[in-house]
Amino acid sequence: SQTIHQWPATLVQPVGSPLSLECTVEGTSNPNLYWYRQAAGRGLQLLFYSVGIGQISSEVPQNLSASRPQDRQFILSSKKLLLSDSGFYLCAWSRGTSGRAFGGDTQYFGPGTRLTVL
Amino acid sequence: DAKTTQPTSMDCAEGRAANLPCNHSTISGNEYVYWYRQIHSQGPQYIIHGLKNNETNEMASLIITEDRKSSTLILPHATLRDTAVYYCIVRGDSNYQLIWGAGTKLIIKP
Repeated sequence: SQTIHQWPATLVQPVGSPLSLECTVEGTSNPNLYWYRQAAGRGLQLLFYSVGIGQISSEVPQNLSASRPQDRQFILSSKKLLLSDSGFYLCAWSRGTSGRAFGGDTQYFGPGTRLTVL
Repeated sequence: DAKTTQPTSMDCAEGRAANLPCNHSTISGNEYVYWYRQIHSQGPQYIIHGLKNNETNEMASLIITEDRKSSTLILPHATLRDTAVYYCIVRGDSNYQLIWGAGTKLIIKP
């Protein structure tokens, strides 16, 4: 079966500091990978998605970036955190669909990282 | 913007069926209806999805109206552990994004 891991679980960082969040998936090959952010009391907002190694698409302009150095590894980064970057960051995976979006393609979520920027 | 409308909150007695409604009046023919739930401070959990036909799995049943403008998620025998925020999402082809609304906070009472 497939599992998705995220770390760290919680993180407190000062404004202006760098960020690196990691997500890994086990039990599948060539998955589509996603980074979402959830503000308190709100639904999720898609930040980035990737259909393959080195292929990143951004949905929302911001000071965050994403990278996919390996097939089942997805990293969210920032050079300088802002107060507004605080939130619950979620990684998700779905079965690879040869670079196409498919409406019946279920996304499965990791446990999340709660980031507080002070 | 979310393409679905859900009640803000609902209560249900433990052991009874919980019926969660969702309106998606602008849904198009190739768009799926997904349901997820999120227990406090955890990642969302996939429940079920469907296109046109009713669906059932080990967690729940999904009833989609014939005109596809609304649907109902049914938890047949609610337990206290089903207390969560339930999200109804419409998603089509050519779009990787799940567009999330505010969801329904379901509280199961003893």
